Amino acid sequence: AQSVSQHNHHVILSEAASLELGCNYSYGGTVNLFWYVQYPGQHLQLLLKYFSGDPLVKGIKGFEAEFIKSKFSFNLRKPSVQWSDTAEYFCAVNPTDNYGQNFVFGPGTRLSVLP
Amino acid sequence: SQTIHQWPATLVQPVGSPLSLECTVEGTSNPNLYWYRQAAGRGLQLLFYSVGIGQISSEVPQNLSASRPQDRQFILSSKKLLLSDSGFYLCAWSVWGGMNTEAFFGQGTRLTVV
Repeated sequence: AQSVSQHNHHVILSEAASLELGCNYSYGGTVNLFWYVQYPGQHLQLLLKYFSGDPLVKGIKGFEAEFIKSKFSFNLRKPSVQWSDTAEYFCAVNPTDNYGQNFVFGPGTRLSVLP
Repeated sequence: SQTIHQWPATLVQPVGSPLSLECTVEGTSNPNLYWYRQAAGRGLQLLFYSVGIGQISSEVPQNLSASRPQDRQFILSSKKLLLSDSGFYLCAWSVWGGMNTEAFFGQGTRLTVV
């Protein structure tokens, strides 16, 4: 079965610091990869996604992620965080060999940005 | 455009009482539908998914069941709630048969069993 791990449970940064959240998955086949964000009191929203092509994908609000197939990783980055980036971030994997039936999520990383 | 509705937003139920949470999707046909439970520090746990009417796959054995009586309706139920059923329940949908699709989430239901 697929699984997703996220390296950090809680990350605390000051504004303007750089961010990198780690994500690794275990699955032998082809996958789609996602980062979702949940701002306080709001529903889960898609931040960015990777289906194929350029392994460096850009999402909303200045976020980007790089898919490294050999490492089964899909780390999320942002060069300079803002207080409004305070949220919980979830990495997810969706194997493509079952026609998108299953989305498996990591445990989440809580990001706190100090003003 | 597609929208997903989930209700109620919050629910407080006594132990041993039944449960029914409803989710409906508008603006798409034959979606894949999902029920997740979100627990602090554990991420989103997939409970059930459905690829069509009456077709339910259970990912985790538990006190809950799911049904899909109509194409765009997905119901999460329990005959007798346990304290451990407390949590945040999320409904989601994705495009059926789409290899490159994302999951779209509802607002969630906060269930407290007392």
